Amino acid sequence: DTGVSQDPRHKITKRGQNVTFRCDPISEHNRLYWYRQTLGQGPEFLTYFQNEAQLEKSRLLSDRFSAERPKGSFSTLEIQRTEQGDSAMYLCASFGMEGAQYFGPGTRLLVL
Amino acid sequence: TQLLEQSPQFLSIQEGENLTVYCNSSSVFSSLQWYRQEPGEGPVLLVTVVTGGEVKKLKRLTFQFGDARKDSSLHITAAQPGDTGLYLCAGARGGSNYKLTFGKGTLLTVNP
Repeated sequence: DTGVSQDPRHKITKRGQNVTFRCDPISEHNRLYWYRQTLGQGPEFLTYFQNEAQLEKSRLLSDRFSAERPKGSFSTLEIQRTEQGDSAMYLCASFGMEGAQYFGPGTRLLVL
Repeated sequence: TQLLEQSPQFLSIQEGENLTVYCNSSSVFSSLQWYRQEPGEGPVLLVTVVTGGEVKKLKRLTFQFGDARKDSSLHITAAQPGDTGLYLCAGARGGSNYKLTFGKGTLLTVNP
């Protein structure tokens, strides 16, 4: 399978704990995007990378959130000191031709 | 601010019926994409449109991009239960970041 993969698919954590998610994009794509989707809403942009450089961050990305793409391949999104409001689906997308973005299956986070 | 408005928000029809869903904005987009999303999964790309007035067909699905590149429609002919899902439109605005702005989606249910 050469699509976008994300791990884990589901994560349940207690408030105050740290969590980390991983995204593996399509191998030949040099851009990678992170989005967050809450119930009843469309995905909202968080941040994106071109190769290993993080080029833009949304105001939604508080200082508890950090994203990396150290070798320009896979990316990680870490949330420190999780809050209940962080509960959402975290989506990763890989950028293709004409602005088309291909999404992974997502990581569903539940903060208790 | 919701830049993309989708209508209707919910649609329940019988198998074999035709339907159209709409995606409207006051902003111009350089490209617009339609996705279908099933519960617990990431959005799956259906089509990307980039030229004002462009029409693309994908089997029973017809996508149209408005002349002014501010709106789009998705028409499904002879809907089938397998078409059930959340249909999301997403626009990329001018510039080089290609980040997507999503509508809230249209939740389609096709009853057998």
